[in-house]
Amino acid sequence: SAVISQKPSRDICQRGTSLTIQCQVDSQVTMMFWYRQQPGQSLTLIATANQGSEATYESGFVIDKFPISRPNLTFSTLTVSNMSPEDSSIYLCSVETGGYGYTFGSGTRLTVV
Amino acid sequence: GNSVTQMEGPVTLSEEAFLTINCTYTATGYPSLFWYVQYPGEGLQLLLKATKADDKGSNKGFEATYRKETTSFHLEKGSVQVSDSAVYFCALGAGGSYIPTFGRGTSLIVHP
Repeated sequence: SAVISQKPSRDICQRGTSLTIQCQVDSQVTMMFWYRQQPGQSLTLIATANQGSEATYESGFVIDKFPISRPNLTFSTLTVSNMSPEDSSIYLCSVETGGYGYTFGSGTRLTVV
Repeated sequence: GNSVTQMEGPVTLSEEAFLTINCTYTATGYPSLFWYVQYPGEGLQLLLKATKADDKGSNKGFEATYRKETTSFHLEKGSVQVSDSAVYFCALGAGGSYIPTFGRGTSLIVHP
């Protein structure tokens, strides 16, 4: 299965600023997913990113707040814009690996102060 | 839409006890089913999977059988260890038309 390098692993940010999270995959994948996991909660899908097309956002998430780039089949970024303390969470990227299910990055633990 | 329902936790057991974590799903068609495990401070790891009805996924002593008739994929282990303490997520998806869907997670705490 694929290996994902996600960074940063954690950050503390001031409200009103933006943070860009990067995920690098060691193989070419068609679909990449971005999730948010709030403390003690399950994963909430933010958006699905396919290379060469705009990301598809789930209900409650908008491109202006969470712009995503997918410049090639091995890389994607998620930006959390104009942050507030409510954005404090763990952000995870994931790829589908054929019949093996989904592989996850190690996550970015974001704290907004 | 698709959904996954897991039993609420935490589940608290003594070492060597039998574990069952219930998972049921709603989906059109025939998704693949998964159990993921998240140890404290770590990301999600695939624990086991099943891709069609009656398949049994197994790994590290854990098992789950894809039951189409009851739309269930319950996780079981005959004898849990302290090191099994983690959060377990049931999920469905994989393949083209499926958006990955995760249950809320069930925390397992195993005492010595």
